[in-house]
Amino acid sequence: DGGITQSPKYLFRKEGQNVTLSCEQNLNHDAMYWYRQDPGQGLRLIYYSQIVNDFQKGDIAEGYSVSREKKESFPLTVTSAQKNPTAFYLCASSIALGYGYTFGSGTRLTVV
Amino acid sequence: AQTVTQSQPEMSVQEAETVTLSCTYDTSESDYYLFWYKQPPSRQMILVIRQEAYKQQNATENRFSVNFQKAAKSFSLKISDSQLGDAAMYFCASYPNSGGSNYKLTFGKGTLLTVNP
Repeated sequence: DGGITQSPKYLFRKEGQNVTLSCEQNLNHDAMYWYRQDPGQGLRLIYYSQIVNDFQKGDIAEGYSVSREKKESFPLTVTSAQKNPTAFYLCASSIALGYGYTFGSGTRLTVV
Repeated sequence: AQTVTQSQPEMSVQEAETVTLSCTYDTSESDYYLFWYKQPPSRQMILVIRQEAYKQQNATENRFSVNFQKAAKSFSLKISDSQLGDAAMYFCASYPNSGGSNYKLTFGKGTLLTVNP
């Protein structure tokens, strides 16, 4: 079945460490997105990519980095510069304007 | 820039009753898309219903329907015959129909719906 796979489901990070969240899709979608979800904040856009080897910052990109070397993959790195990384992270993809997004099941990141 | 406002942080409904969740938005675009997403306790985001702004007819998907008032910039979701499985966080979202790089969805902060047996 086609879909988006995010891994791991739970991730623990020590302060000062970089961690990478995986997002893979087999839907042949061109566009991919990373959102951060905090209680009472809704979903906020971190980065997005419309095409391989190209990506743009979203509303809260500071302390994060991404790459898009393959159409299927859009990993997110949470760097030590992100001061409050504990959150739920959602990856999504879309095929075309008007159809909305397909979401992965998310990664819960906790700083310990 | 687009903004989406959901004024009801929490709502509750009795099983089999009808409930309406409110959403207002602000945009300078002449055409755009509107969506309702459901996030149950599993946290998987599920698309409930979508509406293209140029279409006057309100979208319907089984027990879910919208009341789209373009002039008022209002996009409410009505859930009929509520079921226990409808309990979830509901997010309203929009993006402009301008193609190119603007596939970015803007979300409201969500409404937590409780369904009472």
